[in-house]
Amino acid sequence: AQSVTQPDIHITVSEGASLELRCNYSYGATPYLFWYVQSPGQGLQLLLKYFSGDTLVQGIKGFEAEFKRSQSSFNLRKPSVHWSDAAEYFCAASGSARQLTFGSGTQLTVLP
Amino acid sequence: EAGVVQSPRYKIIEKKQPVAFWCNPISGHNTLYWYLQNLGQGPELLIRYENEEAVDDSQLPKDRFSAERLKGVDSTLKIQPAELGDSAVYLCASSLLAGVNEQFFGPGTRLTVL
Repeated sequence: AQSVTQPDIHITVSEGASLELRCNYSYGATPYLFWYVQSPGQGLQLLLKYFSGDTLVQGIKGFEAEFKRSQSSFNLRKPSVHWSDAAEYFCAASGSARQLTFGSGTQLTVLP
Repeated sequence: EAGVVQSPRYKIIEKKQPVAFWCNPISGHNTLYWYLQNLGQGPELLIRYENEEAVDDSQLPKDRFSAERLKGVDSTLKIQPAELGDSAVYLCASSLLAGVNEQFFGPGTRLTVL
């Protein structure tokens, strides 16, 4: 069955520190991959997406993600976290980009 | 450009009552999705429309849930009767029809069933 796993339920980092959120997928073939962010009371906003090509993808708000086929991973990174980055982050995958399978999310807390 | 609009934002009802959620997608987006998001979980697809046709409703509990998108624009999701376990956030999203396109999400409706 197709699945997306986010191993970390909650991550706490200090403002200015680097961040890496993990995502692993299980699909028959390389899926389309996405990272979304959800702030309290808000809908999901797309940070970045990977369809093919360069395995390092740049997104909005200074985020990037690296696709590693050998590890079935698509980890999200940011070199310096801002307090406004505190939110819940969801990794998602799709075989067709029509039906998304989401991970269970990682809640990010940013300490001042 | 206006985003995906959902109403109401919050709804509290007693079990066995009916409830309806409304969604207006981004103008020009042919594809509309309804997702269910339980607390601490990622969204799960309930139904996907392409124009007015429900092309994927395999995850919609049809004994109590129904949806419609009569003119291929806005959509309504209904639960009748609601159960305690239906308490969740109901998200609507839309996208362009052709190719691989980003889904844009609305703010959701938070349902509490007492």
